[in-house]
Amino acid sequence: NAGVTQTPKFRILKIGQSMTLQCTQDMNHNYMYWYRQDPGMGLKLIYYSVGAGITDKGDVPNGYNVSRSTTEDFPLRLELAAPSQTSVYFCASSYVGNTEAFFGQGTRLTVV
Amino acid sequence: AQTVTQSQPEMSVQEAETVTLSCTYDTSESDYYLFWYKQPPSRQMILVIRQEAYKQQNATENRFSVNFQKAAKSFSLKISDSQLGDAAMYFCAYRSDAGGTSYGKLTFGQGTILTVHP
Repeated sequence: NAGVTQTPKFRILKIGQSMTLQCTQDMNHNYMYWYRQDPGMGLKLIYYSVGAGITDKGDVPNGYNVSRSTTEDFPLRLELAAPSQTSVYFCASSYVGNTEAFFGQGTRLTVV
Repeated sequence: AQTVTQSQPEMSVQEAETVTLSCTYDTSESDYYLFWYKQPPSRQMILVIRQEAYKQQNATENRFSVNFQKAAKSFSLKISDSQLGDAAMYFCAYRSDAGGTSYGKLTFGQGTILTVHP
């Protein structure tokens, strides 16, 4: 099993550009999440999904969009990149009834 | 809303010694889980240890153990016989288990950077 796979690992964006961070998991997990980690800070929840077709906002959703068309994939879209979105982004998944969350290796995004 | 606080931005320890990382949390719920995650320079989030709130016994995983004080809302991590490979950022995290609507969402503390000196 590959677990949770995120692409790309690094990206530099110019202000106003858009991009999609890809996330896929092969563990048939119901729940998927996007977190961001700012320097010296803990992870904050951006969006989450409890199954295909169902998504909801987390604590810091502004400037982002998500979709969940399949159980495996949960892409995160940045429409108009801003310097405040410079961060490390983590995708994670977990299975209902199981307490452990599995994380991808993160995407370091810089907006200049 | 739940909050998690790690009051030690940085800690250091000598190799083979013991170190304790602190974490406090605030919640009105009675059913929840607490976790310690390790984040080495590779950025990978690695689960170190978990504690179910309904269990009075403190969790232990090899050299890692916790001191869970439910009434005080405190959840510290003790690393015994510290090794160079333990150097990392450590995060305390909270997950609600209330009413089936928490959906596994995690609330993280700010993290503690642990340095291990040879």
